[in-house]
Amino acid sequence: GEDVEQSLFLSVREGDSSVINCTYTDSSSTYLYWYKQEPGAGLQLLTYIFSNMDMKQDQRLTVLLNKKDKHLSLRIADTQTGDSAIYFCAERATDSWGKLQFGAGTQVVVTP
Amino acid sequence: DAGVIQSPRHEVTEMGQEVTLRCKPISGHNSLFWYRQTMMRGLELLIYFNNNVPIDDSGMPEDRFSAKMPNASFSTLKIQPSEPRDSAVYFCASSLDRRETQYFGPGTRLLVL
Repeated sequence: GEDVEQSLFLSVREGDSSVINCTYTDSSSTYLYWYKQEPGAGLQLLTYIFSNMDMKQDQRLTVLLNKKDKHLSLRIADTQTGDSAIYFCAERATDSWGKLQFGAGTQVVVTP
Repeated sequence: DAGVIQSPRHEVTEMGQEVTLRCKPISGHNSLFWYRQTMMRGLELLIYFNNNVPIDDSGMPEDRFSAKMPNASFSTLKIQPSEPRDSAVYFCASSLDRRETQYFGPGTRLLVL
């Protein structure tokens, strides 16, 4: 079955870049997503990338996709304290109705 | 748009009681999803509706859990009887179609004592 893996924790200084990594197993996945969850809130869609792309940039966010290694990363430039949250990677399986498979989430803590 | 609306935001109940969680999807969305989030198991899909019809309920833990979607703008998730291990955050999400981006509600934090 599918299994999306993420590191559990990342600490970064304010102003530095953050890189959150994710590996997935379904090589035929069509879309890969990054969601952000702030304390006490629901999941907020940050960005997504289609599987025929290698990179997508959206303001401070850069998504890199390495299909060969089934590796997805999210880079946050100029990390701010407001970026402290849990970040979830998710893949959309192609062998089902489109079910999303989520990773366990990476807790990002931004320190001054 | 107001986004996905869930109620209540917090629920504290005693073991054995019935719990009903409510969700209003984004207007025009025809797919609705119920998820459960716990520290131990992460985010789990419980059930998925398309055009008000349950399509995949393989994630529903057991018969104590039931979900309905009587119309396009309302869904409920019911737990009867509730147990302490049901304590979790329950999210509702909706999307235009099953393969479109899912938008999440703020969640209901359930504590069963």
